[in-house]
Amino acid sequence: GAGVSQSPSNKVTEKGKDVELRCDPISGHTALYWYRQRLGQGLEFLIYFQGNSAPDKSGLPSDRFSAERTGESVSTLTIQRTQQEDSAVYLCASSLLAGWGVYEQYFGPGTRLTVT
Amino acid sequence: KNEVEQSPQNLTAQEGEFITINCSYSVGISALHWLQQHPGGGIVSLFMLSSGKKKHGRLIATINIQEKHSSLHITASHPRDSAVYICAVPLSGGSNYKLTFGKGTLLTVNP
Repeated sequence: GAGVSQSPSNKVTEKGKDVELRCDPISGHTALYWYRQRLGQGLEFLIYFQGNSAPDKSGLPSDRFSAERTGESVSTLTIQRTQQEDSAVYLCASSLLAGWGVYEQYFGPGTRLTVT
Repeated sequence: KNEVEQSPQNLTAQEGEFITINCSYSVGISALHWLQQHPGGGIVSLFMLSSGKKKHGRLIATINIQEKHSSLHITASHPRDSAVYICAVPLSGGSNYKLTFGKGTLLTVNP
């Protein structure tokens, strides 16, 4: 019955290190979305999953970014060789099925990533 | 150029005032979404609408598909309404899972 959860809530890392961000969607939600929100900017779509398949990865900013999803549950977003411009809040959302026109998305609290 | 433009960027009001936030977009859409982002960062979906008007409590959302414009109204505003309000539309091409977001309107309601 819990909402979308994300961990860690905050992450400070040194430039060049790899980081993993985790998202636990609402149970039963087949669609999962990752977004990024940089300071002073709007939300940016990164990737979405329908089940464990990612039909559209075009929003990922570079090949340093990758994401996986285990079945219809937890997803991890990995950023390799972090750069300062990766500093942002990374938000995860889930919905019953994919499709903003029909299904409401429920957002997690986000992970604030700071790259020093 | 952002395909979704919101105005104003910042809005300060006194408790009880009627609030209007505007959103204009440049592509044909299946539905438009209004989201609320609280000071702590949590995001809540307020409305999803494709035509006409929807009302939920003191919140009213309207959309004019022909003019590619939507408004979010708050009646009898309260300090707890202070948040960032975000408008979002699906990107063109028929994909309704991939959204373009406005930069948001920061609303501050003073007691």
